[in-house]
Amino acid sequence: KAGVTQTPRYLIKTRGQQVTLSCSPISGHRSVSWYQQTPGQGLQFLFEYFSETQRNKGNFPGRFSGRQFSNSRSEMNVSTLELGDSALYLCASTQSPLVAGETQYFGPGTRLLVL
Amino acid sequence: DQQVKQNSPSLSVQEGRISILNCDYTNSMFDYFLWYKKYPAEGPTFLISISSIKDKNEDGRFTVFLNKSAKHLSLHIVPSQPGDSAVYFCAASLSSNTGKLIFGQGTTLQVKP
Repeated sequence: KAGVTQTPRYLIKTRGQQVTLSCSPISGHRSVSWYQQTPGQGLQFLFEYFSETQRNKGNFPGRFSGRQFSNSRSEMNVSTLELGDSALYLCASTQSPLVAGETQYFGPGTRLLVL
Repeated sequence: DQQVKQNSPSLSVQEGRISILNCDYTNSMFDYFLWYKKYPAEGPTFLISISSIKDKNEDGRFTVFLNKSAKHLSLHIVPSQPGDSAVYFCAASLSSNTGKLIFGQGTTLQVKP
């Protein structure tokens, strides 16, 4: 079974631009969560989508948004990029967040550099 | 507000010895805990998990211990191998809401040959 895939793997943008990252979960997994990893803040939860609905949201500004499609693939968008948005963006999938003891499996991440 | 803390940024052990990585949490509502291993520029890899109904879970060389009263968990790796050198993250969640993980800051483990 293929793992979680993320595209693109690397991205360079300039301040003020917007970016869209894509995540395809493991086949059969219906929940996708997004995280941001930076050296200073560690791994921080952005949001989670299940059955095309946002279930949880972390403490990030409204410039960060996401969506999930009917095939469970998810995208996240960052508008008006700032230098501090440079980070590794990770997505993870589970079969269902409603089942106790479900494990999240992570993709390789998208490295975003904002200049 | 750091709800999950790994107070040791780094740990160095000799090959063959035991590695013990520690993690503390403040939110008593957390009832599901996981450990992940991460190499640079890769996504975290799941290692082992434990539910709050248990105090120990074992999988091969990896054992996780949970002390609910102290809000403390630890990961034991025995015996440690050079390939175990990586950053280890503990994470916590509610078992009813496993889509949201709260991570510690990570501990860099170096296993010396």
